[in-house]
Parts: sequence; structure tokens; C-alpha cells
Amino acid sequence: DAGVTQSPTHLIKTRGQQVTLRCSPKSGHDTVSWYQQALGQGPQFIFQYYEEEERQRGNFPDRFSGHQYPNYSSELNVNALLLGDSALYLCASSPGTRSGNTIYFGEGSWLTVV
Amino acid sequence: GESVGLHLPTLSVQEGDNSIINCAYSNSASDYFIWYKQESGKGPQFIIDIRSNMDKRQGQRVTVLLNKTVKHLSLQIAATQPGDSAVYFCAETLNNNNDMRFGAGTRLTVKP
Repeated sequence: DAGVTQSPTHLIKTRGQQVTLRCSPKSGHDTVSWYQQALGQGPQFIFQYYEEEERQRGNFPDRFSGHQYPNYSSELNVNALLLGDSALYLCASSPGTRSGNTIYFGEGSWLTVV
Repeated sequence: GESVGLHLPTLSVQEGDNSIINCAYSNSASDYFIWYKQESGKGPQFIIDIRSNMDKRQGQRVTVLLNKTVKHLSLQIAATQPGDSAVYFCAETLNNNNDMRFGAGTRLTVKP
């Protein structure tokens, strides 16, 4: 049983470009959340997708957008990249949106903006 | 989110000793708490969780204590091993939704 898988693992982009990160949730999980983790800090919640809709959103600008597909996989898109967007982007999946269900993380996608 | 510097709180223990990692959470209405372990270059790994209607929960070699009066959470690791070396994060959720708010993290180093 594969856990949460993310791609790509590492990428480098230039300021102003756009990036798409991908996530496949753990088998049986229908909810995907995205987090940004800057170096030396804890993960920060970006948004959550359930039933192909954004259900919750953290304090991130509209440059950050996402999508969830019918097979529950998800994408995170970031437009007009800034140097400060350099971080580890983590995908987490869970069965449903309610607290109390164990949330599993992928290994993340390392984004460097130069 | 909160602004945190690059210098994580650190805890250094001898192999075989017990470790206690502390966390002050932010919202008195939080209803669920989770501890994660994150090794270098990897995603966070679930360790143990506790609901707000409990004050203690035990797992294998780990215990989580919750003190809602002072909004404090602790993780106790018994007989700490070198493989326990990692950064440990506490996280909280609110209103029965599972979008998590993470603390700054504590770096645990286990000396052989």
C-alpha cells in the first residue's frame, strides 16, 4: 500500500515563473491538504481539498491555487514565483476532513526560486 | 502564520535516558493535538495524538500529556535511542477540522 506520493522531489524555478506540484494521497484517503515549510520552521497550512473543492484555506495569497481530481489526487499551483516561495511543499492526506483521523504526509517537493 | 527564526529549540540527551519535549499551543479552543517527527530531508511522521477531552495518552515508548489550563502539550520518549534524533513538532486543530497549525519544533539529539 503506497503512502502519500509527491512529485517532483526537487525543482528550481526562476522568479516570476509558475510551478505545479503533484500529490497522490494514500489509498482510501479522499482529503488532501497542502503545507509550506520554510527552512527551520514548522509547516504552514495552505489549503485543503475535499470532493474536488477547496474546503479550508490558510493565510496564503491567491497566487497559490490548487485542484483535486476525481481520483483524489491533487495539484498545487503557484504563480508569479517570489524568492520567498522557496520551501518544502508538503502534501498530507486523510480520510475525510474531520479531526481525529490520522493524517499522513508525503516526503515533499523542494522548490528553490532563484 | 507566526514568524519563527532559524534556530530551533534543542534538546540533547544520552542514549537510554528519557526525553521530554514541550509545546505551548496557541488556541484554547483547539480540540485535537498531534505530535510529528521529522527527520532531515523527509516529511513529518505521525507519532501520537490526543483529543482535548483527555489529559494523557500512551503509545509504544511515547506518552503525550495535555494541560489545557496552561495550554501546554508534552511528548515523553522513554529509553531514547539514536534513531529518535529528529525535529519534533506539535500540531493543533480546531472545530473538528483537520487543517493543522504547527508549532516551531524542537530538535532532539541523542548522544550514543
